[in-house]
Amino acid sequence: EPEVTQTPSHQVTQMGQEVILRCVPISNHLYFYWYRQILGQKVEFLVSFYNNEISEKSEIFDDQFSVERPDGSNFTLKIRSTKLEDSAMYFCASSDSGRNEQYFGPGTRLTVT
Amino acid sequence: GENVEQHPSTLSVQEGDSAVIKCTYSDSASNYFPWYKQELGKGPQLIIDIRSNVGEKKDQRIAVTLNKTAKHFSLHITETQPEDSAVYFCAASYTGNQFYFGTGTSLTVIP
Repeated sequence: EPEVTQTPSHQVTQMGQEVILRCVPISNHLYFYWYRQILGQKVEFLVSFYNNEISEKSEIFDDQFSVERPDGSNFTLKIRSTKLEDSAMYFCASSDSGRNEQYFGPGTRLTVT
Repeated sequence: GENVEQHPSTLSVQEGDSAVIKCTYSDSASNYFPWYKQELGKGPQLIIDIRSNVGEKKDQRIAVTLNKTAKHFSLHITETQPEDSAVYFCAASYTGNQFYFGTGTSLTVIP
């Protein structure tokens, strides 16, 4: 069964450093998403991406964040200058249609020290 | 924006009993309501969903009901098994893009 994969599973970085979180969505999907989950809190939407551009983003997704689909298979989330409060689990998801089910990856745990 | 509330936060049931998790939403424009199961160390897995044009949907031991007037929806798991133990999240969406999640319910099925 096709699944969304994410790398790395755990990333530790120092405050102020740039990180790139990587995702490989399900191959025939066209819509891609990033969510985050701070420990003990709700899963929160960050951004959706379709046709090589952002289709929707939340207030959390400020200028520190960017997304890219550098090739036909990868979808990345970049945080330019990490802050302590960026520590969270980051989930990538994909969907074959903007109105259908979203399938989530296993997540990348980001720890900012 | 949308606000989704979920109850209870923890739920323990005996194996074979039923479990019910309830969610409410605030935005009447929401029209898609998925339920996700998250096991330890894994990402959320879609287990069932319902759209606003349907009042109930069932898939084997799992069912979801939706009351649009009251703006609430519920997950029902019958004949629970130990492998049903996990955290369950409800979500609501009105754009098809952004999902608004509940706070999660930690379900424990006691053998």
